[in-house]
Amino acid sequence: GAGVSQSPRYKVAKRGQDVALRCDPISGHVSLFWYQQALGQGPEFLTYFQNEAQLDKSGLPSDRFFAERPEGSVSTLKIQRTQQEDSAVYLCASSPRTGGAYNSPLHFGNGTRLTVT
Amino acid sequence: GIQVEQSPPDLILQEGANSTLRCNFSDSVNNLQWFHQNPWGQLINLFYIPSGTKQNGRLSATTVATERYSLLYISSSQTTDSGVYFCAATGAGSYQLTFGKGTKLSVIP
Repeated sequence: GAGVSQSPRYKVAKRGQDVALRCDPISGHVSLFWYQQALGQGPEFLTYFQNEAQLDKSGLPSDRFFAERPEGSVSTLKIQRTQQEDSAVYLCASSPRTGGAYNSPLHFGNGTRLTVT
Repeated sequence: GIQVEQSPPDLILQEGANSTLRCNFSDSVNNLQWFHQNPWGQLINLFYIPSGTKQNGRLSATTVATERYSLLYISSSQTTDSGVYFCAATGAGSYQLTFGKGTKLSVIP
């Protein structure tokens, strides 16, 4: 597709449920990022992939968060045993080069708005 | 890591007015981007501008890397310009884009 595609657009989960959020990056983009945006805040880094390798997961808030990109294209962010504080917009971004945002712009998807009740 | 500060935090404009948004960063940058997040949450690329000046219609941006700041100019503002404007930067040796807290712009008719 022409841009970064994320699904679902909205997700409501009951506390304790597991959720999976999908990201389709721009075709051919090597670098992929996940960000979390709480209400009224700027996006915060979660994790970074270069192709299928997860090079940095330092932003993941707990071991309930897990991300994968097994074939170096589509990525999934999984949150286990969701808590209310996980409610946020989850944004995926991609860029065409290795090195992430070092020397090329990031292109963001429209995000998945997760609400945990 | 790099720190990114934006000012002002909030801005209210009459339609047709001009404005300048500022972004200060704490270290040298290899990437600097300006985004507009519209009321529906879409984060739209405005400029990729680690240095120099660019213009796109009513918007223009200037980054003075040696003085560690970037400016976004909006001329003849329209109600559709409303939303939050984010500046984000990547410091030397990093691959992460770090965001500021944003400037919330409201353009009133």
